[in-house]
Order: sequence, then C-alpha cells, then structure tokens
Amino acid sequence: AQTVTQSQPEMSVQEAETVTLSCTYDTSESDYYLFWYKQPPSRQMILVIRQEAYKQQNATENRFSVNFQKAAKSFSLKISDSQLGDAAMYFCAYRSPAAYSGAGSYQLTFGKGTKLSVIP
Amino acid sequence: EAQVTQNPRYLITVTGKKLTVTCSQNMNHEYMSWYRQDPGLGLRQIYYSMNVEVTDKGDVPEGYKVSRKEKRNFPLILESPSPNQTSLYFCASSWLVTSGKGGNEQFFGPGTRLTVL
Repeated sequence: AQTVTQSQPEMSVQEAETVTLSCTYDTSESDYYLFWYKQPPSRQMILVIRQEAYKQQNATENRFSVNFQKAAKSFSLKISDSQLGDAAMYFCAYRSPAAYSGAGSYQLTFGKGTKLSVIP
Repeated sequence: EAQVTQNPRYLITVTGKKLTVTCSQNMNHEYMSWYRQDPGLGLRQIYYSMNVEVTDKGDVPEGYKVSRKEKRNFPLILESPSPNQTSLYFCASSWLVTSGKGGNEQFFGPGTRLTVL
C-alpha cells in the first residue's frame, strides 16, 4: 500500500514571503498522480495543484508551484508571496492510475497534513 | 454549478440510533467515495463505489454501510453509531480515468460534522 508522509505538522510564514511544504511518498508504481489540497477553516477541501508522474515538468498554478522529484519520491509545495488567505491545513495526496484490475488501486491516500499560519 | 452536496452538515446523535448521511453529485462521475477526517490522522477512506451497484471497502469500513442505487447518490449509513465514529465526514467524486474524461482529482463535498454521544 502507498503511504504519504508530511513531516511538518505546523509551519508559519510572514505575509508576502515564500514557504515550502514537504511531502514524501512510498510507491512501487511508475505511473501515478499527486495532489495538494487546501483545507481552510471552513473545512472545504480545495484542490490546489496536481502533478502527473509521467510529466517531468513541475506543475504551477499562479503563486503555487511544486518541486516533483520522482526518484526521491518527493513532492513539495511552494507558496510564493504568501497571503493571509493561504492560512489553512494542507494535505498531500497520492492516487494510483486507473483501476486496471482492482478498484482499490484508485484510492486517494492522504498525508496527515501541515497546518500553515500566515503572520501579518 | 458542478458540486458535491452532503446533508446534514452537522449532526449530534446518541449511541445506537441509526442515521444516514446523504451525498449527491451533479457531474455524472462514476467514482464516489466516503472519507473520515480525524485530528492527526488525515483523511481515511471508508467505502468507495466504481459505479451503480458496485461498492467496496476502504481502509476503515467497520460500522458503516453504503449503497449506490443511482449514479448521482452515495449515502453513508451508520446502523448503530458509537462514540468512536464521532468525526468529520467527506463525500467525494471523480471520473474514472478509463472513461477517457481525465481529470483524476476528486471533488469534495462540504463535510458533515458528526458527534455521537
């Protein structure tokens, strides 16, 4: 089974600065998908960014970018120009590709989360 | 608007009183799933469904039931709730990659905060 590890339970960043959240995962598969989800105080799960393992180019979405190191099984999230609205719990998640032989492989496996605080 | 809805959003109940949390999506997704979120544990999958009448257990299925009689609905049933089922519950849906519609990300409902006394 795949595991996802977020080693930083809490982090803080000064407004307008840059912060990087770490995520590592364990898998024997060569093709998979990685996600970062944001959970603000409203508790809604919001997709921040997605990376397909077969793509070498790191995904970016406005102020959010990832550093995907496939060999190291590392998938960190960088938030640039941090804003107060970025304060939230961030979850890293792993998903196998299509359920070729069993639906269990299609499960989304989450890390335990990193709570990000933004200091004005 | 494409969305996943859950009801109720908040529920306080007592041990042993059967309850159902409804989940509905309007995106024609094949795949639907239930998660529970507990402090320090992240989100863990309870049950999932690949399509109508196709359901299977996730990592923490004990004490829960589901059904998928229609594509859009995936209710979570607690036949005899216990205090250890106090949690935040999320329903989610997505395409199956094999459907050719891509995407892969799961869309989440707003969550249901359940307290079992």
